[in-house]
Amino acid sequence: DGGITQSPKYLFRKEGQNVTLSCEQNLNHDAMYWYRQDPGQGLRLIYYSQIVNDFQKGDIAEGYSVSREKKESFPLTVTSAQKNPTAFYLCASRSSDRVAHGYTFGSGTRLTVV
Amino acid sequence: AQTVTQSQPEMSVQEAETVTLSCTYDTSENNYYLFWYKQPPSRQMILVIRQEAYKQQNATENRFSVNFQKAAKSFSLKISDSQLGDTAMYFCAFMKPRVGAQKLVFGQGTRLTINP
Repeated sequence: DGGITQSPKYLFRKEGQNVTLSCEQNLNHDAMYWYRQDPGQGLRLIYYSQIVNDFQKGDIAEGYSVSREKKESFPLTVTSAQKNPTAFYLCASRSSDRVAHGYTFGSGTRLTVV
Repeated sequence: AQTVTQSQPEMSVQEAETVTLSCTYDTSENNYYLFWYKQPPSRQMILVIRQEAYKQQNATENRFSVNFQKAAKSFSLKISDSQLGDTAMYFCAFMKPRVGAQKLVFGQGTRLTINP
C-alpha cells in the first residue's frame, strides 16, 4: 500500500547535536511538507518542497534544514541552532493533480532534548 | 496571510450525542479549500471532510457534515451520533488552490472527548 513512512518514531537529542528525521513516500507525490506540532499551537510549517532539488522556508524555518535529492525522500535536520526542538514532527505529501484531496500525513516523530 | 481560529480548546459530550466544532478563518481569496482533520491518540492525521469554497452545498461524509458560511468565513463540523472512536484532536485547515505551494494553514485544534 502507498503511504508515508517517518522514522524514527521517537528520537532523543543531546544539547548541541544535530539530528535528522526521515520521511519517505511511495505515493508519487510531487510536493512534500514538514510541520511541527506543539500543544495548543496546532501545526506550523517548517519547510516545503514542490519538486526535486527545490525547497522553500515555511513559517518557522530557523534552526532547521532540509534536502530533496529524490522525489520519494524529504529528510529534516534539526540543528543545534534550534533552541527549543522538543516537539512532534509531521511529514506530509500532496499530489499535484488532486489538490482538493489535501495532504497525506506520516505517523510522526517525537523529538525530545535530553 | 491566512489565519484559522478554533475557539473551543476542549469539548466533551456523551456517546450518541451530536456535537459541533467551530472554525473561522480570515482570507481575501474567493476560491480556496477547507478541511477538517482528526488526530486520535495514535497521532496519525486523518482527513475527515473537505469543502471547496466555490461549491454552495455543504459537504457530508456519513456522520460528519459541515456548515460552510462563506460570507461569515465560518466552517463548523457537526458530528452526529458520536462514538467513542471519535475521541481525538480535530484541526480545521485552509488551503489556497493557487498554482504553487498550496500550503495548509491549521487552526489550534479542539480536543474532543466522547464519554460512555
